[in-house]
Amino acid sequence: GAVVSQHPSRVICKSGTSVKIECRSLDFQATTMFWYRQFPKQSLMLMATSNEGSKATYEQGVEKDKFLINHASLTLSTLTVTSAHPEDSSFYICSASRGISTDTQYFGPGTRLTVL
Amino acid sequence: KQEVTQIPAALSVPEGENLVLNCSFTDSAIYNLQWFRQDPGKGLTSLLLIQSSQREQTSGRLNASLDKSSGRSTLYIAASQPGDSATYLCAVRLDSGAGSYQLTFGKGTKLSVIP
Repeated sequence: GAVVSQHPSRVICKSGTSVKIECRSLDFQATTMFWYRQFPKQSLMLMATSNEGSKATYEQGVEKDKFLINHASLTLSTLTVTSAHPEDSSFYICSASRGISTDTQYFGPGTRLTVL
Repeated sequence: KQEVTQIPAALSVPEGENLVLNCSFTDSAIYNLQWFRQDPGKGLTSLLLIQSSQREQTSGRLNASLDKSSGRSTLYIAASQPGDSATYLCAVRLDSGAGSYQLTFGKGTKLSVIP
């Protein structure tokens, strides 16, 4: 149990276009979902936290108008990178939690974004 | 602000050797600490989770210890195998009240086990 999927696993796009990444909890209801970004040889950096039905909370330095997060259901959250630029190229990983304070986060397999 | 440091950044050992990975954190008021494994280009696999009240957790050949007061954790891998080759990440969750689930990650230790 507690499986999280991401789609797509890999995407290449042109500079200036928008890209949507989906994160799904397959066998549990995720009250809270998290989006992380990982640059090569760096640690995972939390970008934002989203609770179902509420606006996402963004970490300092993350542009909310550039990284649009939607968590409209208990099993799906989407991250849209708008007007992508080469510096947005990274590995994006989502995680999901049931929202119970004692629960852990379950991580998706990640999405490799390359912006040309 | 919580900072997590992992030493060494990379480690290469011959198959069969026992090894220790280190993780330190600056804020000892943690809720729990978790060790993950990440294979190249892949997501994270949770290995062990230690609650703040615990001293260690074991799973098969893996043993993780936690010394909250000194801000340290170690991951011990016994009888290493080539399949253990991966990057190992340490992450801490702060004890900052109900509903706070934020994890702070270290940069990881890249382990290579040589056959």
